[in-house]
Amino acid sequence: GQNIDQPTEMTATEGAIVQINCTYQTSGFNGLFWYQQHAGEAPTFLSYNVLDGLEEKGRFSSFLSRSKGYSYLLLKELQMKDSASYLCAVRAYGGATNKLIFGTGTLLAVQP
Amino acid sequence: DTGVSQDPRHKITKRGQNVTFRCDPISEHNRLYWYRQTLGQGPEFLTYFQNEAQLEKSRLLSDRFSAERPKGSFSTLEIQRTEQGDSAMYLCASRSKSGPSTDTQYFGPGTRLTVL
Repeated sequence: GQNIDQPTEMTATEGAIVQINCTYQTSGFNGLFWYQQHAGEAPTFLSYNVLDGLEEKGRFSSFLSRSKGYSYLLLKELQMKDSASYLCAVRAYGGATNKLIFGTGTLLAVQP
Repeated sequence: DTGVSQDPRHKITKRGQNVTFRCDPISEHNRLYWYRQTLGQGPEFLTYFQNEAQLEKSRLLSDRFSAERPKGSFSTLEIQRTEQGDSAMYLCASRSKSGPSTDTQYFGPGTRLTVL
């Protein structure tokens, strides 16, 4: 079966650091993605991990441990505009489709 | 802007009516996906095209749903005899066949469907 878990909501303070966790159990694994989605808008690509370790991109970093079925997204120097839903998605291995299986998303509220 | 575009952005219809949505992928992206997203949930895969061929359909795609990509460029998603449970955001995404961004799906702004 396919199961992706992430917290439903988180709150953090402007200027701080927040870590959003994601655990997954999927039949096959071919990469993990993080997307940001503001209310009523399209998901926007943030990061992609296929090998274990940390990928850093400016204020955003993403970590993957394939043996633990675990990833996190780290957001530094939080800004008010970072208030959004953050979606963890696994690309299941197999076939040509490479479809994404999404978690329910973590709604992050950044407070002044 | 050469991102994924979708039309219309919003659609309100009465139960039992047919609706059709259009997706224009990023130019030269040969892979196209449709997803459905309901409030408080992540997107769920509906169907996938590689060029004009529909290679996979989810079990979520009942007989009332049909998708086409006749010339391997834009795609349409039609829902016949809409039901209130069809109310959702319908998202389209495209992916390149080659290059450094080939792993990434890029999403359009979505079509929000409300069935009354």
